[in-house]
Amino acid sequence: DQQVKQNSPSLSVQEGRISILNCDYTNSMFDYFLWYKKYPAEGPTFLISISSIKDKNEDGRFTVFLNKSAKHLSLHIVPSQPGDSAVYFCAAHRLNTDKLIFGTGTRLQVFP
Amino acid sequence: DTGVSQNPRHKITKRGQNVTFRCDPISEHNRLYWYRQTLGQGPEFLTYFQNEAQLEKSRLLSDRFSAERPKGSFSTLEIQRTEQGDSAMYLCASSVGQGRVYNEQFFGPGTRLTVL
Repeated sequence: DQQVKQNSPSLSVQEGRISILNCDYTNSMFDYFLWYKKYPAEGPTFLISISSIKDKNEDGRFTVFLNKSAKHLSLHIVPSQPGDSAVYFCAAHRLNTDKLIFGTGTRLQVFP
Repeated sequence: DTGVSQNPRHKITKRGQNVTFRCDPISEHNRLYWYRQTLGQGPEFLTYFQNEAQLEKSRLLSDRFSAERPKGSFSTLEIQRTEQGDSAMYLCASSVGQGRVYNEQFFGPGTRLTVL
């Protein structure tokens, strides 16, 4: 039972353009949603989060949008840079526990 | 370096052997988590500790797996009688953690286990 889904395994974007990564979830008991970035041979690095009571959170080039009625969130990166090339994981924090449930990841490649 | 550290970074073992991994959390972080990541998947929760108390265990944590955090600081994850299906990246994370609310989790670099 995949509660957090990232349906696009990969995305390729030109430098300077916008990258949009998508995530869907099925459980209404999630209270926070997060995006992590992962480089090879490293652990995931926290990028940005959003509370379930918000619909947008922005941090520099990164913006996360939450659509609760559609159970969908997205991460926008603008402008995209070659250093953004990594695997991005969407994760959800379940209310009344302290564990994260991750999607399967989207590999982003930003080319010059 | 004040981040989460894990040792060893790589471990190759033969099927049936026991292995033990260590995680040192960020200093003064109360919570420590273990996750497992297999190829093509996201990290999957295994267990977590509040200080030395193990608060939750996933069904993924079979009886061959045992995790401890004896003094509320570092933690060990032991796998007995390893199987090829145990091959994965084992990730540790820590947080300041209080209550059953969201706490930002900081991940270590992981231990990659290969069972031959």
